[in-house]
Amino acid sequence: GESVGLHLPTLSVQEGDNSIINCAYSNSASDYFIWYKQESGKGPQFIIDIRSNMDKRQGQRVTVLLNKTVKHLSLQIAATQPGDSAVYFCAENMGTGGGNKLTFGTGTQLKVEL
Amino acid sequence: SAVISQKPSRDICQRGTSLTIQCQVDSQVTMMFWYRQQPGQSLTLIATANQGSEATYESGFVIDKFPISRPNLTFSTLTVSNMSPEDSSIYLCSGLGGAGSGEQFFGPGTRLTVL
Repeated sequence: GESVGLHLPTLSVQEGDNSIINCAYSNSASDYFIWYKQESGKGPQFIIDIRSNMDKRQGQRVTVLLNKTVKHLSLQIAATQPGDSAVYFCAENMGTGGGNKLTFGTGTQLKVEL
Repeated sequence: SAVISQKPSRDICQRGTSLTIQCQVDSQVTMMFWYRQQPGQSLTLIATANQGSEATYESGFVIDKFPISRPNLTFSTLTVSNMSPEDSSIYLCSGLGGAGSGEQFFGPGTRLTVL
């Protein structure tokens, strides 16, 4: 079986409710941020991104908010569905000057209850 | 976005052996990266795979342990050398799109178990 690792923070929501997943990032020089969704046994899947010159960006059922003052990101999922159950990671990128490398947050497990 | 495939998808290996993981992208990408993800944890960058030159390794990762090749713009390999149980993990490659796109997309990962 799998080895025991750190337990991810878990957010449980009822189907149809809105979900808000939060992330604190570390580097004030980061200029690009991405939210990823990772389902069990799969690689991370791009959800939505935002650049540092914006504070809000909307996609289909998802919205990302960026607060550079407190280095905080949030992902809002509207009308959460069972298929949204997964681990969600934020990632920060310092751009070309930082080698385009991503630094990932610790992740949040989203559980959608029927 | 491009599609990334990895081989093998999983493997169980004996201590002291080496495993080479292949990563293939279906279109050209400007950059490729290798990450490690231990069960229940986040992703940690191992190295940036540079085309035609030595990879750039992050702190805590060395070429002797994780040799990387990238012979062209769409293919890279990561070798996990002289494996120990502590190397049991998921190894993921990613590609960075071109034309100023900052989006990094990931392969499905290779689940490695070392006995």
